[in-house]
Amino acid sequence: EAGVVQSPRYKIIEKKQPVAFWCNPISGHNTLYWYRQNLGQGPELLIRYENEEAVDDSQLPKDRFSAERLKGVDSTLKIQPAELGDSAVYLCASSLLKRDPYEQYFGPGTRLTVT
Amino acid sequence: GENVEQHPSTLSVQEGDSAVIKCTYSDSASNYFPWYKQELGKGPQLIIDIRSNVGEKKDQRIAVTLNKTAKHFSLHITETQPEDSAVYFCAASKGSNYQLIWGAGTKLIIKP
Repeated sequence: EAGVVQSPRYKIIEKKQPVAFWCNPISGHNTLYWYRQNLGQGPELLIRYENEEAVDDSQLPKDRFSAERLKGVDSTLKIQPAELGDSAVYLCASSLLKRDPYEQYFGPGTRLTVT
Repeated sequence: GENVEQHPSTLSVQEGDSAVIKCTYSDSASNYFPWYKQELGKGPQLIIDIRSNVGEKKDQRIAVTLNKTAKHFSLHITETQPEDSAVYFCAASKGSNYQLIWGAGTKLIIKP
């Protein structure tokens, strides 16, 4: 079974520029998560999807962050405009709600550097 | 708010010795406690988990214990090997929306 795929793996942009991250979850997994991980810290949840619906986006900074999950499969996370403090690793994870919603499988992440 | 404290932040042990990482949580409603291993450049990988109706769970060289009264849970790794070197995160469930509250991580170093 293929794992969670994320791209790009690395991204360097200047502040105020837009950036987008893409995630393809494990086939059949209906729940998808976006996390942000700062250096030396645990992941922080940004948004959780069940199928196409964002069921928890309470920690997503909506003034500059947006996300979508069209057709309940792939997802894109966007930042516009990026700020220096957005430098972090952005992780995508997926799980199968009806089997075990807590058992999350993570992708390798996208390391974002904002200069 | 709810939080998870994890200790130590760095742990260095001799190959073959045991390693123990401890976490405490604050939310009495937490009922699921996973442990993740994160290697450099990779995403976290679930290695073992425990639910509130169980006090201990073991999988080969890895074991997790839970004390709900004290709100403590621990990861035990026996006969450590070089490939055990990584950052380990504990987490606790929050509420009913399947959210996890994560610890800050422990960098485990296995000395040859």
